[in-house]
Amino acid sequence: DAKTTQPPSMDCAEGRAANLPCNHSTISGNEYVYWYRQIHSQGPQYIIHGLKNNETNEMASLIITEDRKSSTLILPHATLRDTAVYYCIVRVAHSYGGATNKLIFGTGTLLAVQP
Amino acid sequence: GAVVSQHPSRVICKSGTSVKIECRSLDFQATTMFWYRQFPKQSLMLMATSNEGSKATYEQGVEKDKFLINHASLTLSTLTVTSAHPEDSSFYICSARVPDRAQYFGPGTRLLVL
Repeated sequence: DAKTTQPPSMDCAEGRAANLPCNHSTISGNEYVYWYRQIHSQGPQYIIHGLKNNETNEMASLIITEDRKSSTLILPHATLRDTAVYYCIVRVAHSYGGATNKLIFGTGTLLAVQP
Repeated sequence: GAVVSQHPSRVICKSGTSVKIECRSLDFQATTMFWYRQFPKQSLMLMATSNEGSKATYEQGVEKDKFLINHASLTLSTLTVTSAHPEDSSFYICSARVPDRAQYFGPGTRLLVL
């Protein structure tokens, strides 16, 4: 699986949009971009994933560049409860076995939402 | 999203004893579940992949005789830490993959070995 690079930490003011970048310059054509977050002392929470088109759900938006070498997770109106470590992971989706089925976590970005 | 539960949420045990952690998929069947371990201030580390009805696949450096994994049904996987020692104290997290969808995580089990 391709490796990702994320800034170790970011701050965001409450109520403002939080834009979390991720570089995945070695991503393969069949690899998806997944985003998870982990609030302190809890299991990771799935946020969103995409292949090449931009995606939006009730939690966030995912913007993937045309060359797919980077992406940005957008939390449109950050709240204090969005303070967490955000992980960007690339992986082949829809496979049913083998190494391509594993989610490998990097170090992520600690997002601190300030009041 | 899909719901994955873990039991117990935290456990304290004496050194040398064995501890069993359960992971259940509550509203879907999971042919594949995963076990992770997380030490303080570190990221999640994948320990093993658990496949229903077959042997688990362990990551390099993870002792299969120490961390016994059983995936006897489509909704239950168990991790047993055998002869636990203080260095096994950690946060253990399981996850299950929903076919054609994302992977969902349990709330984690905090193990403290005295």
